[in-house]
Amino acid sequence: QSALTQPASVSGSPGQSITISCTGSSSDVGGYNYVSWYQHHPGKAPNLLIYDVSKRPSGVSSRFSGSKSGNTASLSISSLQAEDAADYYCCSSMGNTNVWVFGGGTSLTVL
Amino acid sequence: EVQLLQSGGGLVQPGGSLRLSCAASGFTFTNYAMCWVRQAPGKGLEWVSAISASGEYTNYADSVKGRFTISRDTSTNTVYLQMNSVRADDTAVYYCAKSGWKDFDSWGQGTLVTASS
Repeated sequence: QSALTQPASVSGSPGQSITISCTGSSSDVGGYNYVSWYQHHPGKAPNLLIYDVSKRPSGVSSRFSGSKSGNTASLSISSLQAEDAADYYCCSSMGNTNVWVFGGGTSLTVL
Repeated sequence: EVQLLQSGGGLVQPGGSLRLSCAASGFTFTNYAMCWVRQAPGKGLEWVSAISASGEYTNYADSVKGRFTISRDTSTNTVYLQMNSVRADDTAVYYCAKSGWKDFDSWGQGTLVTASS
């Protein structure tokens, strides 16, 4: 159950686009299409942004999108807004089990 | 509307025990797996434990295996996390979460557990 690897921080200006990577292994990210992404504002509960690699729950802005290539998943945010400043976490289920592993988290700063 | 209302956090001495509760409403409780996720101070999210929809299967992170026990009560739609032999590094905000399938689509408000003498 090793944590997935994310960059510690990313930044962008309002209106720009950014991408956050999430690297795992063939046992998690690369082996199954069960990657999810969460937005977490400090002091609040995390919020599901993306599930099953690229699906968006109802109510989540289309500015958020997900993809995967090999053992690396990515979250892209377009048209950055001030309220996007938060911590972002990727997560992968370990196949057909109820076992999960999170990434270390990425702090997004909107300049 | 899905609601997960947590209770039971607080101060516990190292080596002691604590039970967290999460009362669920707004969905068919018996259809979904439930999980606990925690965040230690200054650290990222860590998956802790999961229990299947039926309650038959449970899973734990290596860091808590043998010390924590997850359970669910279908008569009260509540999921529990029994924490025994608590250590200082168990200090964290603990979140209850509903598993949509292979994700966490609803979260509780979080409850702080502090393991300190």
